[in-house]
Amino acid sequence: EVQLVETGGGLVQPGRSLKLSCVASGFTFNNYWMSWTRQAPGKGLEWVASITNSGGSTYYPDSVKGRFTISRDNAQNTLYLQMNSLRSEDTATYYCTRMYYGSYFDYWGQGVMVTVSS
Amino acid sequence: DIQMTQSPASLSASLGETVTIECRASEDIYNGLAWYQQKPGKSPQLLIYNANSLHTGVPSRFSGSGSGTQYSLKINSLQSEDVASYFCQQYYNYPPTFGGGTKLELK
Repeated sequence: EVQLVETGGGLVQPGRSLKLSCVASGFTFNNYWMSWTRQAPGKGLEWVASITNSGGSTYYPDSVKGRFTISRDNAQNTLYLQMNSLRSEDTATYYCTRMYYGSYFDYWGQGVMVTVSS
Repeated sequence: DIQMTQSPASLSASLGETVTIECRASEDIYNGLAWYQQKPGKSPQLLIYNANSLHTGVPSRFSGSGSGTQYSLKINSLQSEDVASYFCQQYYNYPPTFGGGTKLELK
């Protein structure tokens, strides 16, 4: 059974940093692209970052480019999201998602809440 | 970026009814479309990919169709457990983008 378990969320002040982690199990982690997708309270879904299975390439939307960094440790089956210079509009539930070769998101974690507020 | 427009934003239907949700892309996405179901308080789950392929374990009452810029998700014989929000997502071009969602309630 595919499982994705996120940790690291919480309340953080604007301009500060936070790092999310996602531990994967139930599949061969280094065979799959991985991503982070977020959902602001009561809102829709927004893709945040993707990384290839080797970690050699990463992709971001303009809204987070230069502030967020996705990375992975294939030996530890763990995905990360380093979030810097956080803004109030980054407040959301962040989902760790397995991505089918850069296309759709076939498995989702339970999500972790990030609140950016002073 | 490709814009995805879903309709309706909300709908109310009766048990056993057939429901259709539409998704329109701002340009041709060549069947690069997925549908997700998000039950209240839960994370989204993949239903359909490649516009019409059913993800593992998804009941056969769910189906997807469409081409070009117009796609739809159909739920046959609505069940109580289908109460949820539904989102479409295009992956033909980066960045992947989602529709605004459709909230399905029981009448």
